[in-house]
Amino acid sequence: DQQVKQNSPSLSVQEGRISILNCDYTNSMFDYFLWYKKYPAEGPTFLISISSIKDKNEDGRFTVFLNKSAKHLSLHIVPSQPGDSAVYFCAASGSPGGSGYALNFGKGTSLLVTP
Amino acid sequence: GAGVSQSPSNKVTEKGKDVELRCDPISGHTALYWYRQSLGQGLEFLIYFQGNSAPDKSGLPSDRFSAERTGGSVSTLTIQRTQQEDSAVYLCASSFGPGQPGELFFGEGSRLTVL
Repeated sequence: DQQVKQNSPSLSVQEGRISILNCDYTNSMFDYFLWYKKYPAEGPTFLISISSIKDKNEDGRFTVFLNKSAKHLSLHIVPSQPGDSAVYFCAASGSPGGSGYALNFGKGTSLLVTP
Repeated sequence: GAGVSQSPSNKVTEKGKDVELRCDPISGHTALYWYRQSLGQGLEFLIYFQGNSAPDKSGLPSDRFSAERTGGSVSTLTIQRTQQEDSAVYLCASSFGPGQPGELFFGEGSRLTVL
């Protein structure tokens, strides 16, 4: 039973434009959300996170928005760069602060940024 | 290196054989996790170790799967009598443990192919 859903398996964006990656979750107990980025043949790397007490967290070109009522979060990348091309995983935790083991991952969205 | 190290990076085995996958976590990290990613799927939680506590084995798909962590550091994931559906990338991750933000540091994974 997939509790974290990324309904777009792939996304293509032109360099310099905004990339928006979406994620939906079904478990209302989730209160900590993370995005991971994965290049081929590498392990996922942590990108950005947000706690349920916030609705926005920004880190450079990356911003995560959380809409708790809709059980939806999104990752915005502005401006997109070719080096951002990777698979992005959304993850959610039910533990405050996140113990890690309870992370539920989506299936990922493959982002391609074209020059 | 300073990251999570996994070996082997690739393993091809015949159905019915046993395999062992090894993980060296980041020094100082008390929590260690095993996930797997099957083709087209998200990251599936397998098992979690935290310090000297009993591991959370709730994600192990069958009793053919087992894992141990010696001395609170290195972990070995063992799959007995491998089946073709066990083919996946097995990812190990570590973190500072509960109470910390749920940021996991992943290794590059061990790709298992069962013929």
